[in-house]
Amino acid sequence: EAGVTQFPSHSVIEKGQTVTLRCDPISGHDNLYWYRRVMGKEIKFLLHFVKESKQDESGMPNNRFLAERTGGTYSTLKVQPAELEDSGVYFCASSLRTGGNTGELFFGEGSRLTVL
Amino acid sequence: GENVEQHPSTLSVQEGDSAVIKCTYSDSASNYFPWYKQELGKRPQLIIDIRSNVGEKKDQRIAVTLNKTAKHFSLHITETQPEDSAVYFCAASKSARQLTFGSGTQLTVLP
Repeated sequence: EAGVTQFPSHSVIEKGQTVTLRCDPISGHDNLYWYRRVMGKEIKFLLHFVKESKQDESGMPNNRFLAERTGGTYSTLKVQPAELEDSGVYFCASSLRTGGNTGELFFGEGSRLTVL
Repeated sequence: GENVEQHPSTLSVQEGDSAVIKCTYSDSASNYFPWYKQELGKRPQLIIDIRSNVGEKKDQRIAVTLNKTAKHFSLHITETQPEDSAVYFCAASKSARQLTFGSGTQLTVLP
């Protein structure tokens, strides 16, 4: 079974440009999460989808970030316009279980974003 | 919101020795505490987790302890091997929705 896949693995863009990251979760996983790790710090929560609905987007830094999950399958995270502080590794994760017990999160390998 | 502190940030041990990584959390309502291991260039993977109704859990050379009163939990790796070298993240959660991670510990096992 394929794991969580992310594309691209690395993106280098200039300040002010736009980047779109894609995540394909494990088939059948309704829960999809975006996290970010900046400069060797903690992995910080960005948002959570349940199927196509945004369950929690409290971690999104500002309105330059837009996440979508049309059809409840893959998700995209767009950064427009990108700023220097957006550099980091963007992780996508998915899980099967919902409800009161947290299901195991399966992570992708991450998309490293470098903004110059 | 929840805040998770993790120490140390780096840890070097000799092969065969034990390694201990400690985390504290702030929200007493948190009830799920997973540990993830991220090898260089690879994805974070769950290695062990514990829920708040359990004080200790062990899986071969890895064990996790939880002290709810003090709001801290620890990862213990015994008989360390070079392949244990990685970044380890602790996390805490009180819902099915999100994990709050610590800042990570770079463990290096010296041969």
